[in-house]
Amino acid sequence: GQQLNQSPQSMFIQEGEDVSMNCTSSSIFNTWLWYKQDPGEGPVLLIALYKAGELTSNGRLTAQFGITRKDSFLNISASIPSDVGIYFCAGPLYSGGGADGLTFGKGTHLIIQP
Amino acid sequence: KAGVTQTPRYLIKTRGQQVTLSCSPISGHRSVSWYQQTPGQGLQFLFEYFSETQRNKGNFPGRFSGRQFSNSRSEMNVSTLELGDSALYLCASRPGGGLTEAFFGQGTRLTVV
Repeated sequence: GQQLNQSPQSMFIQEGEDVSMNCTSSSIFNTWLWYKQDPGEGPVLLIALYKAGELTSNGRLTAQFGITRKDSFLNISASIPSDVGIYFCAGPLYSGGGADGLTFGKGTHLIIQP
Repeated sequence: KAGVTQTPRYLIKTRGQQVTLSCSPISGHRSVSWYQQTPGQGLQFLFEYFSETQRNKGNFPGRFSGRQFSNSRSEMNVSTLELGDSALYLCASRPGGGLTEAFFGQGTRLTVV
């Protein structure tokens, strides 16, 4: 299966700041997914990307599918306290896509300092 | 539409026992997959079912098994529990038809003592 490298591992920011995180793969992906997980809960899908170069927004969140198809980026603008949590990138476990499982990055832990 | 429902939310079992976890997917979704989440290994794919057939399996021992019923509900079973099986077990459902987006339930927190 394919492996994802997600960075940074954690971010300490102040409320109102913008946040950027990224994910890289050793192989080409045809799909990138971004999830957020709160403590004790399951991951919640934020954004799905299906085309190289695609830029998609969901409120204050914007994600991009890298041109090389080996990376993706997630930006959060004007962070607020409820943005705290762990953000995961994910993609098809095997390059065939479709009815495959997902492979996940290790996550970026976002902490907002008062 | 109701989301993915997993039961129970919490379980405590003893080493050597077996456990069965249940998942009801989003109505109309035919694909159900299972994941194990631990602090050390992160989120790891266990297996995926579509129309009652296992389509893919991750790198886990045979003690981990699952099945899917005709109404798309799924169960996973872990036999001969080990301490290392303590984890959050997550179920995800997808519509099927090649879409990759997966929607997760709240998970079952399994503690093996």
